[in-house]
Amino acid sequence: GQQVMQIPQYQHVQEGEDFTTYCNSSTTLSNIQWYKQRPGGHPVFLIQLVKSGEVKKQKRLTFQFGEAKKNSSLHITATQTTDVGTYFCAAPPPRGSNYKLTFGKGTLLTVNP
Amino acid sequence: DTEVTQTPKHLVMGMTNKKSLKCEQHMGHRAMYWYKQKAKKPPELMFVYSYEKLSINESVPSRFSPECPNSSLLNLHLHALQPEDSALYLCASSQDLSRGQGSYGYTFGSGTRLTVV
Repeated sequence: GQQVMQIPQYQHVQEGEDFTTYCNSSTTLSNIQWYKQRPGGHPVFLIQLVKSGEVKKQKRLTFQFGEAKKNSSLHITATQTTDVGTYFCAAPPPRGSNYKLTFGKGTLLTVNP
Repeated sequence: DTEVTQTPKHLVMGMTNKKSLKCEQHMGHRAMYWYKQKAKKPPELMFVYSYEKLSINESVPSRFSPECPNSSLLNLHLHALQPEDSALYLCASSQDLSRGQGSYGYTFGSGTRLTVV
């Protein structure tokens, strides 16, 4: 089945440092979504990327979709304590399969103030 | 209303109990989902409903029984659970099954934290 590998599993940074999490797939993805889950909270949809090479920005967050649509990254510039949480990428299966979103294992970001 | 509401927020039940988890959305979404999430793990899909019909059952044990009474409501009936079923149960919705992977993503409820004793 569809698998997305996400690294790193954990990342601890000092406030103000940058952070990046990566997702990789062995198959071409039709799209990829990113979610954030705060400690004790629930996943919250951040963005979806669809086009090859797509780059989208949300304030300090930059999302990229690779040219081959097999990898994606989320980069946070100048982290703040409010960025703490687990960031998941998620992708649907290849076209023609049942639609179900498969989540990467997530990257837990902790920020030292 | 852009929320998915889940009740109860916390539930402790014995292995012989029968209980139900409830989920409600008023966003007009036609696809609804149940996910199970263990600590420090990603959400795992259990069931998908599309237009009130069960579309996907991810080989979930029969002690979990979903129900979709109407387009706004989703229930998960629990019976004879095991301690290993203790987890956060998340309900989610999206515009429809094909557009669940569209530009709006999934909207998750805050979950029911279930403990089976």
